[in-house]
Amino acid sequence: DQQVKQNSPSLSVQEGRISILNCDYTNSMFDYFLWYKKYPAEGPTFLISISSIKDKNEDGRFTVFLNKSAKHLSLHIVPSQPGDSAVYFCAAIQGAQKLVFGQGTRLTINP
Amino acid sequence: ETGVTQTPRHLVMGMTNKKSLKCEQHLGHNAMYWYKQSAKKPLELMFVYNFKEQTENNSVPSRFSPECPNSSHLFLHLHTLQPEDSALYLCASSQASSGQETQYFGPGTRLLVL
Repeated sequence: DQQVKQNSPSLSVQEGRISILNCDYTNSMFDYFLWYKKYPAEGPTFLISISSIKDKNEDGRFTVFLNKSAKHLSLHIVPSQPGDSAVYFCAAIQGAQKLVFGQGTRLTINP
Repeated sequence: ETGVTQTPRHLVMGMTNKKSLKCEQHLGHNAMYWYKQSAKKPLELMFVYNFKEQTENNSVPSRFSPECPNSSHLFLHLHTLQPEDSALYLCASSQASSGQETQYFGPGTRLLVL
């Protein structure tokens, strides 16, 4: 049973527009959430995180929103740039140090 | 070298071979991890080491044998693997504190078992 789900395997967005990547989770005990970005032939790179005591965290063009009642989080990228084209993974902490990952969403930014 | 490095980046091995994957972190962290990413599956945690001690084994078959000689180095020894073990193997490290710490990943070793 997958506890972290990214239901969109891919997303295509026009350069300059907003990219919204979604993630749902089932385990209400998760208390820390992270987004990672992965380019081909590289490991995942940490982007942004949010604690369950917050509902929003912003870092430059990246904002993560957490809706605990809906067990849903989203990553907003605005404005989207061609270099943002990558696979994005949502992850949640289950107990100390145990990261649980979603399947990933491939984001393509079109010029 | 900075961050987390892994060698080799690519590895092809037969089912009777013995090989080792190496990971080194240059971040001063005290926790290290092995993950596996199979095709079309999420990353799966395999092992966790804190201060060189194994604190998590996520039901990994014994043909995978981790070793952590110090806080900066982590190995994954492989023997008598199966073709279904072909995957991307990722190492990560973190500064273990409250559990809400960020893990930083290496580039991975892409393994093909023939």
